[in-house]
Amino acid sequence: DTAVSQTPKYLVTQMGNDKSIKCEQNLGHDTMYWYKQDSKKFLKIMFSYNNKELIINETVPNRFSPKSPDKAHLNLHINSLELGDSAVYFCASSQDRAGATETQYFGPGTRLLVL
Amino acid sequence: GENVEQHPSTLSVQEGDSAVIKCTYSDSASNYFPWYKQELGKRPQLIIDIRSNVGEKKDQRIAVTLNKTAKHFSLHITETQPEDSAVYFCAPNTGTASKLTFGTGTRLQVTL
Repeated sequence: DTAVSQTPKYLVTQMGNDKSIKCEQNLGHDTMYWYKQDSKKFLKIMFSYNNKELIINETVPNRFSPKSPDKAHLNLHINSLELGDSAVYFCASSQDRAGATETQYFGPGTRLLVL
Repeated sequence: GENVEQHPSTLSVQEGDSAVIKCTYSDSASNYFPWYKQELGKRPQLIIDIRSNVGEKKDQRIAVTLNKTAKHFSLHITETQPEDSAVYFCAPNTGTASKLTFGTGTRLQVTL
């Protein structure tokens, strides 16, 4: 009965590799997000999708590509991983249909370490 | 602009004392003001939020006050307990209210 789930929980990989993180929510929400939390705990939005449509794309390298096959899933694919990509990546969802004015429910996070 | 700052960055209080964390923002279009709590190694979770038509909201030991004119809102925790130890983030909506912009975080330590 987990509301927002992510896989994998931990990801250790070499520079230059390509990896994906998957996210699923069973809350029936329309909007899903990807956030990056760095080692200093700063939490920054990367992408936002509303009903499978990309609505926010922050200044993120195009090595990062989100994909939403349906409104319950938002995956993140990262090409050519770099050391600076090491962080915790959180998926989140909310009932928002226009604008950010509702509670965001976060997944457990994926801890990515690039060696 | 989307500058969101929190003060202090760290706060240590004794159990039973009160804690106050202030968040300042720059986007005049912001109309939703939540606070999230993140325990060590865990996900951020909403603890309280307020909308721009309200000046104060309280939920048991926590409260949030909003001063929209001065563009700041504050989290108040009374009778602090060790389980209140965590990092707290304010996250006003910004960018014509299209997204949440998280503040820099405040690490609260409640000592016995």
